Order: sequence, then C-alpha cells, then structure tokens
Amino acid sequence: AQTVTQSQPEMSVQEAETVTLSCTYDTSENNYYLFWYKQPPSRQMILVIRQEAYKQQNATENRFSVNFQKAAKSFSLKISDSQLGDTAMYFCAFMKFYSGGYQKVTFGTGTKLQVIP
Amino acid sequence: DSGVTQTPKHLITATGQRVTLRCSPRSGDLSVYWYQQSLDQGLQFLIQYYNGEERAKGNILERFSAQQFPDLHSELNLSSLELGDSALYFCASSAGGSSTDTQYFGPGTRLTVL
Repeated sequence: AQTVTQSQPEMSVQEAETVTLSCTYDTSENNYYLFWYKQPPSRQMILVIRQEAYKQQNATENRFSVNFQKAAKSFSLKISDSQLGDTAMYFCAFMKFYSGGYQKVTFGTGTKLQVIP
Repeated sequence: DSGVTQTPKHLITATGQRVTLRCSPRSGDLSVYWYQQSLDQGLQFLIQYYNGEERAKGNILERFSAQQFPDLHSELNLSSLELGDSALYFCASSAGGSSTDTQYFGPGTRLTVL
C-alpha cells in the first residue's frame, strides 16, 4: 500500500517570498503520478501541479514548481513570489493507474500555508 | 471552476436519517470518485464508478452506497446517519480511460449531522 507523508502541518511565508512544502511517499510501484492540490478556505480542491514519475524533468506551472526525487521518493512544492491568495491547505497526492480505468489516489494529511502580508 | 458540480452545497440533518448527495462530472468524463473529508483531515477515498459500473471501493461504510446513472451523474446515499458522518463530501471526475487522467474536484457538499 502506498503512503504519503507531509511532515509540516503548518507553515508561514512573507508575501513575495519563496516557500517549499515537503512531501515524501512510499511505494513499490515504478509508474505512478504525483499531484499537489490546494484547498483554500472555500474548501474547494484545486489542482496545482502534476508530475509523471517517468519524467525526469520537474513540472512547473507559473509560480509553482516541484522538486521530484524519484530515488528518494520525495516530491516537494516550491511556491515563488508568494501571494495572499496562496493561503490554503496543500495536499500532496500519489496516484497509481490500473487497467480498466481504475485510479487509486492516496492523499497526505496536508500542510496549512499562511501567507503573511 | 472545475466543471464538476455537486448538490446540495450544505445539508443539515439528524442522526438516523438518510441523505442523497448528487454529482455531475465534467462533460465527457466517464469516471466519478467520491471522497470524505472530516474536519482537519485529509481525503479518504470512498468509491469509484466508471461508465456506470463500480470500479473500486475504498473506506466506504456499509451504510453508504453509490451509483452512477446512464447520463453519468452519480449519487452517494448515506443512511442511518451518525454524528461522525459529519464531513465534507467531494466528488471528482476524470476522463477515466487513460493513465494520463487527472481527477478534477467539485466544490463539495458539507454534511452536518445533529
């Protein structure tokens, strides 16, 4: 079974600064996908970024980028130029796809990020 | 807006009652997933449907059931409700047939059991 660990329950960052959220996972699988989802106070789950395990290049989406270390089973999220709207709970997620359309997704417990003006 | 819709947004009911939560997936998506998020907890996978058929079960209680209809919308039925069932229930959808699929989440239904 896969496990996802987010060891930082809460973090804070000054507006315009950079912050990195940590995520580690445990799996015996070789092909899988990793995600970061954002959950602002509205509680909506919003996809931030996605990484395919077979790709060595780290995914980037505007101010969001990841540091994917497959051997270390680490998948951290870097937020550059933090904005007040980045205040949210961030969940790391591991996905394994099985034939027949079955996706098994395991979520971490989340990191609560507060951006300070 | 993810394109996934859920109704109702809020639901308040009493212990022992039965409720139905509804989800409409994004246009073209065949898979629907249900998750439960209790207060300050991560998401727990409940069940997945793919094109009308149950595909996978997670930590879903026997008091809970779901189905996906021919028009691909899905309903999650919760019966004999207990205080501990109070949570945010999310529906997500994905295209369903490819390993490149991503799950897109609806806004959730907040269930409060009094």
